[in-house]
Amino acid sequence: DAGVIQSPRHEVTEMGQEVTLRCKPISGHDYLFWYRQTMMRGLELLIYFNNNVPIDDSGMPEDRFSAKMPNASFSTLKIQPSEPRDSAVYFCASRLRGGQAFFGQGTRLTVV
Amino acid sequence: QQPVQSPQAVILREGEDAVINCSSSKALYSVHWYRQKHGEAPVFLMILLKGGEQKGHEKISASFNEKKQQSSLYLTASQLSYSGTYFCGTEKGSGGGADGLTFGKGTHLIIQP
Repeated sequence: DAGVIQSPRHEVTEMGQEVTLRCKPISGHDYLFWYRQTMMRGLELLIYFNNNVPIDDSGMPEDRFSAKMPNASFSTLKIQPSEPRDSAVYFCASRLRGGQAFFGQGTRLTVV
Repeated sequence: QQPVQSPQAVILREGEDAVINCSSSKALYSVHWYRQKHGEAPVFLMILLKGGEQKGHEKISASFNEKKQQSSLYLTASQLSYSGTYFCGTEKGSGGGADGLTFGKGTHLIIQP
């Protein structure tokens, strides 16, 4: 397996624009997590899914953030409208129940 | 709630030892440890399950005291390759390994030759 695949690797966008981050988890993993990493807050858990169903989205900062998992092999994190304070590295991770989390390479988002 | 890690940063000479601590205000099912190099994704080191478990990985080992809701990561005879940011991740006691994995803010470890 190629591991967790995220796209794009880098995204630069203007304030107010919609941003969509994509993630393909490891095949067979039934848990998928979205994290945001900044110097100030470290690795923040935004939302996680089990068998494509959102379980806990209490970490999603605002209504501007939304996440979907339409099938077992694809998830998106959308920010609309984007703001400069959303600039961060966004990681997707997948795992089996009780197992280690495998992280994607991350998407570095810059909102100008 | 994020677990609390200490210290925030530590600078060592090659060959010295370090201890990184992780504590939670919630009952824990498991503790995960990861290391992240600059510009890369976090990489798994080990998982400890409740029950006072201890684990070892080369010269890196860890303990988990579920009563105190604390875990410690021990790095002995540190090598230059150990430099990076160490994160502990915790799962609450209710999920049986099926909760969201919440990470601390990390401990920055710098090893100097």
